[in-house]
Amino acid sequence: DAKTTQPTSMDCAEGRAANLPCNHSTISGNEYVYWYRQIHSQGPQYIIHGLKNNETNEMASLIITEDRKSSTLILPHATLRDTAVYYCIALLSGTYKYIFGTGTRLKVLA
Amino acid sequence: GAVVSQHPSRVICKSGTSVKIECRSLDFQATTMFWYRQFPKQSLMLMATSNEGSKATYEQGVEKDKFLINHASLTLSTLTVTSAHPEDSSFYICSASLDSSTNEKLFFGSGTQLSVL
Repeated sequence: DAKTTQPTSMDCAEGRAANLPCNHSTISGNEYVYWYRQIHSQGPQYIIHGLKNNETNEMASLIITEDRKSSTLILPHATLRDTAVYYCIALLSGTYKYIFGTGTRLKVLA
Repeated sequence: GAVVSQHPSRVICKSGTSVKIECRSLDFQATTMFWYRQFPKQSLMLMATSNEGSKATYEQGVEKDKFLINHASLTLSTLTVTSAHPEDSSFYICSASLDSSTNEKLFFGSGTQLSVL
């Protein structure tokens, strides 16, 4: 599975969009990009995933660059409850052996 | 979505005792479950892959005799920390896949905080 790189931490003002980048420059054509988040002392929560097209659901949007070497998770209107560690994972199709990187610690400020 | 239940959520034990953690898929059958360990302010580290009806596959550096994994049914996997010591104190998390032939997401339990005195 491709290695992913994320900034260690980010702050975002409440109500503003939070844009979390992820670099996966060695991703292969059949590796998906998954995003999870972990709120303190809980298990990771699924957010969104995509292959090459941009994706949107009720939680977030995922923007994947045309060359697939990077992606951005967008929380359109961040709330205090979005404070968490966000993990970007590149995963081979049909496999579930997730290898977590260090993630980005997002702090939403009032 | 699918639910994975992990029990207990918190356990405190004396050094030298064994502790069993259960991971159940409540509304689906999981042929494969995964166990992770997480130390404070660190990322999740994959410990082992648990396959129903067969031996678990352990990641490099994880002692299989120390961390016993049993996946006796399609809805239950257990992790037993044998002869626990203070350095085993950690947050343990399980996850289960819904179907290995699709790209459905992996579902995680809520974790177990183990404290060894």
